[in-house]
Amino acid sequence: DTAVSQTPKYLVTQMGNDKSIKCEQNLGHDTMYWYKQDSKKFLKIMFSYNNKELIINETVPNRFSPKSPDKAHLNLHINSLELGDSAVYFCASSPSASDREWNEQFFGPGTRLTVL
Amino acid sequence: LAKTTQPISMDSYEGQEVNITCSHNNIATNDYITWYQQFPSQGPRFIIQGYKTKVTNEVASLFIPADRKSSTLSLPRVSLSDTAVYYCLVAGIFGTGTRLQVFP
Repeated sequence: DTAVSQTPKYLVTQMGNDKSIKCEQNLGHDTMYWYKQDSKKFLKIMFSYNNKELIINETVPNRFSPKSPDKAHLNLHINSLELGDSAVYFCASSPSASDREWNEQFFGPGTRLTVL
Repeated sequence: LAKTTQPISMDSYEGQEVNITCSHNNIATNDYITWYQQFPSQGPRFIIQGYKTKVTNEVASLFIPADRKSSTLSLPRVSLSDTAVYYCLVAGIFGTGTRLQVFP
């Protein structure tokens, strides 16, 4: 019973293409996140989404857009892929939106995106 | 914005206690401090969270001084399976990560 799942696990594509990564959580959590982990293993938050409120990291290019069809899903759409988008993308979920209170995040297994 | 910094790497031997420190000088009054563990090809996994003083659970302890500008994750008697990257998280910002290598 996977708590947070992502598909696909690996994604190889050409520059300029548009791709999506899907994320689902079965924990009943209110908040979901997308993170990017680069080759140096730095983890950076891209988005958090809670009850239809989207909080965007201002450094994220607008080619990236999260889409939430329901509370259990937060998909990541990427347009016009660039070489620098190559990274591992993690989805996560947590009970609430705030890390200013007890709020454990549960991470998915990651999607390794390679842009050629 | 909070900025969190950690040592890049640490080495230890099985059975030793390991202490990993995270610096978060700009921590806000309401921010909690959380630590995660990440194995290769996996997502980060929650270890422990605290606000002040000391927190202990079955796997680790977290020490937070009165000014809360740093925190120390303490792993007692590490084993080979503790080899991983450890991240602190404050105000939505992950630290740079500390790669712990445990030797037999």
